[in-house]
Amino acid sequence: SQQGEEDPQALSIQEGENATMNCSYKTSINNLQWYRQNSGRGLVHLILIRSNEREKHSGRLRVTLDTSKKSSSLLITASRAADTASYFCATDASDDKIIFGKGTRLHILP
Amino acid sequence: ETGVTQTPRHLVMGMTNKKSLKCEQHLGHNAMYWYKQSAKKPLELMFVYNFKEQTENNSVPSRFSPECPNSSHLFLHLHTLQPEDSALYLCASSQEAKPLFFGEGSRLTVL
Repeated sequence: SQQGEEDPQALSIQEGENATMNCSYKTSINNLQWYRQNSGRGLVHLILIRSNEREKHSGRLRVTLDTSKKSSSLLITASRAADTASYFCATDASDDKIIFGKGTRLHILP
Repeated sequence: ETGVTQTPRHLVMGMTNKKSLKCEQHLGHNAMYWYKQSAKKPLELMFVYNFKEQTENNSVPSRFSPECPNSSHLFLHLHTLQPEDSALYLCASSQEAKPLFFGEGSRLTVL
C-alpha cells in the first residue's frame, strides 16, 4: 500500500529559483529518503533523514522532517536545468519494505 | 554506473513467451528488491530478498517468479504475461534497507 504522497504532482520553475516539494506519509517510520529519477532511468538516492532528525543538508538540497505532522519537504536551491527530473520520497518502516510515493515531476525552465 | 546492473534494458514479448530479467549487484549488499513502475502509479514493491531468503512477496501474481541464487544475483522469470504487465522493472540492492541503489531498469512491453 502507498505510504508517501508527494505534493505537487508537477512543478515548473525558472532556472535559478528554489524548488520545494512536500511528502506526507501515514505510519511511523525509521527514516525517510528522497530519490531522483531522470526519464526512463533508475532512481538515484539523494538524502536520508532519520526519524530523530529535523533537518538535513546536502549541497543545494535541504530536507526537513516533521514526525508530528508525518510530513517532509525537499528544497532545491538555485535550481539548474539539470535538476529537471522526478523526485520521490520513500519511507522505511523497518520491515524490509521501502515504500515510494507517486513523485513530483520538476521541470526547470531556461 | 550505480553498481547494480540490469539486463536486458528493453524486452518485447508475447503473452505466451517465457523470458527472464536479470539483476546483478557489485556492492556487497545483503538485500535485493524488485519494483514495478507503471505510468501514473507509485513504484510498486514486488519482492524482497534478504541474505537470499525471500522476505516479502507483495501479492504479486504467480506469472512473476523471482529467483535469488546468491546475494549478488536476482532474477525475475516471466511467463504468460498480460499487456497490463508492460512497465519498467527496477532492481535495487541495499545494506539493511538504507538506502536503495537502483539499476537502470528493464523496460518490458507485452504484446
